[in-house]
Amino acid sequence: KNQVEQSPQSLIILEGKNCTLQCNYTVSPFSNLRWYKQDTGRGPVSLTIMTFSENTKSNGRYTATLDADTKQSSLHITASQLSDSASYICVVKMGGSYIPTFGRGTSLIVHP
Amino acid sequence: DVKVTQSSRYLVKRTGEKVFLECVQDMDHENMFWYRQDPGLGLRLIYFSYDVKMKEKGDIPEGYSVSREKKERFSLILESASTNQTSMYLCASRQDGNQPQHFGDGTRLSIL
Repeated sequence: KNQVEQSPQSLIILEGKNCTLQCNYTVSPFSNLRWYKQDTGRGPVSLTIMTFSENTKSNGRYTATLDADTKQSSLHITASQLSDSASYICVVKMGGSYIPTFGRGTSLIVHP
Repeated sequence: DVKVTQSSRYLVKRTGEKVFLECVQDMDHENMFWYRQDPGLGLRLIYFSYDVKMKEKGDIPEGYSVSREKKERFSLILESASTNQTSMYLCASRQDGNQPQHFGDGTRLSIL
């Protein structure tokens, strides 16, 4: 069964610190992997997309990595800000399918 | 910018009522989705539409139906609302499988 597992389930860090969120998947054949950010009371918003040939991609203070061999991705947040407090969702799309598979998300809280 | 609008942010209904949730997108997207989001479970797909009048069941279609008579509008129908359908409902649209999904801000539905 195609699955996407995220860890940790929740994370609390101090403002200014770095953190890394993990995503492991069993989806096959792989097409792409997206990280979404969901602020409280809002819908998710796409942060970045990773395709099979990409190992790393940055979007400001967010850097995503992909290891297609081990089927793992990470999202690294540098110099965290209070506005980074949100749920981060990993979504993997299977080749040939319309429907992506969602992870359950990591809830990040950044304290001042 | 893509805008996905859900008709209500909060809705309270009674068990047994027929409930309509409406979603409109303004970017002529082909695909539209309905999800429900529950704490600890993440987003779960209810129904998906890849074109006007076309629909496919997602992971949890029981108790729900959908309608897509026009490209920009995708409606979710709870035929006879039950308390276990109390949840956050999110609508999304995208142009095709390689594009990100754009989400509305959700409807928090309470069934009493």
